[in-house]
Amino acid sequence: NAGVMQNPRHLVRRRGQEARLRCSPMKGHSHVYWYRQLPEEGLKFMVYLQKENIIDESGMPKERFSAEFPKEGPSILRIQQVVRGDSAAYFCASSPSGQGSTEAFFGQGTRLTVV
Amino acid sequence: GESVGLHLPTLSVQEGDNSIINCAYSNSASDYFIWYKQESGKGPQFIIDIRSNMDKRQGQRVTVLLNKTVKHLSLQIAATQPGDSAVYFCAESNSGGYQKVTFGIGTKLQVIP
Repeated sequence: NAGVMQNPRHLVRRRGQEARLRCSPMKGHSHVYWYRQLPEEGLKFMVYLQKENIIDESGMPKERFSAEFPKEGPSILRIQQVVRGDSAAYFCASSPSGQGSTEAFFGQGTRLTVV
Repeated sequence: GESVGLHLPTLSVQEGDNSIINCAYSNSASDYFIWYKQESGKGPQFIIDIRSNMDKRQGQRVTVLLNKTVKHLSLQIAATQPGDSAVYFCAESNSGGYQKVTFGIGTKLQVIP
């Protein structure tokens, strides 16, 4: 049973370009979460999705950021017109459905560098 | 606002000794408190959690203690090993049907061989 798969592991973008980060949850998991981690800091919640639905996007910046989790395929975190401040590690986590589950499984992350 | 934070940014421990990592939280409404381990270049790894109606929970070589009176959480690692070297995050969550986790800053544990 493969874990949470994120790709690419490293992504370099020039200012103004678009970044697309992909996350395939663990088999059988229907809940996906995206977090951002700046150097020497903890992870900050961005968005929570279920298949085809955004449940909680309270941590997403109002502009340039979007996320989706289509019926088929991985979850995508899209950052348009990237700026240097977007440079960070972006982690995806997944968990099975149901309440009271705290053991979310994290991927290895995508490290975005904006130059 | 509500937050989860740590007392010590770095902790150095001799191999074989016990480690204690402390955490203060402010959101008394949280249902769960969780410890994660993050090794360099990797994602956080779940270690152990504790519900808010408990004060102690043990796992393999780890014990989590929760003191709701002073809003304090600790992680105890017995017989610390070099492989325990990592950054440890305490976090809190509500069991409202999904896991939106609020992380603290982290404590770096360095195990001295």
